[in-house]
Amino acid sequence: GQSLEQPSEVTAVEGAIVQINCTYQTSGFYGLSWYQQHDGGAPTFLSYNALDGLEETGRFSSFLSRSDSYGYLLLQELQMKDSASYFCAVPTGGFKTIFGAGTRLFVKA
Amino acid sequence: SQTIHQWPATLVQPVGSPLSLECTVEGTSNPNLYWYRQAAGRGLQLLFYSVGIGQISSEVPQNLSASRPQDRQFILSSKKLLLSDSGFYLCAWKTGQGVEAFFGQGTRLTVV
Repeated sequence: GQSLEQPSEVTAVEGAIVQINCTYQTSGFYGLSWYQQHDGGAPTFLSYNALDGLEETGRFSSFLSRSDSYGYLLLQELQMKDSASYFCAVPTGGFKTIFGAGTRLFVKA
Repeated sequence: SQTIHQWPATLVQPVGSPLSLECTVEGTSNPNLYWYRQAAGRGLQLLFYSVGIGQISSEVPQNLSASRPQDRQFILSSKKLLLSDSGFYLCAWKTGQGVEAFFGQGTRLTVV
């Protein structure tokens, strides 16, 4: 089966850096995705890591270690608008994407 | 450009009533289509997915069903709603083996 574990909540201060971790257990692994969801809204795609290492997209970076079955999303220069839920997800070898339970990020002034 | 439409945005239904939620995708052909449900403050649970017209795979046994009568149309239905069917229903699409899933704006269903 497949499972993804991530913290339920993280709190950080505006302007700071925060890291959201994700560990996964999957039968067959192709890569790790990250999505952002604001309250009442639709999830939106942030990043995808197929290979080990760090991928940077503006203030957001995502890291993957396949040997550790671990990844994280790094958010820098936090802004109030970054307050949202963040989901790690794994596309399966078929056509499905399985999501973690999500991490709710609270950014304080 | 590709767009996904999902309606209605909110719905309040009594227990035992039927349900029909519709999702349509424009600007792409033969998309993979998905229905997810999200309980308040929780993750996304995959309910159904479809890789083609008339092809439906069910992930969770329950009183919901899905149909894909046209390439770009995906419908979620129930004959008799339960209280536990309340939640935020999200339709999504992907291309083939694509990585990124594109979501509709969701339907918030409250069963009373």
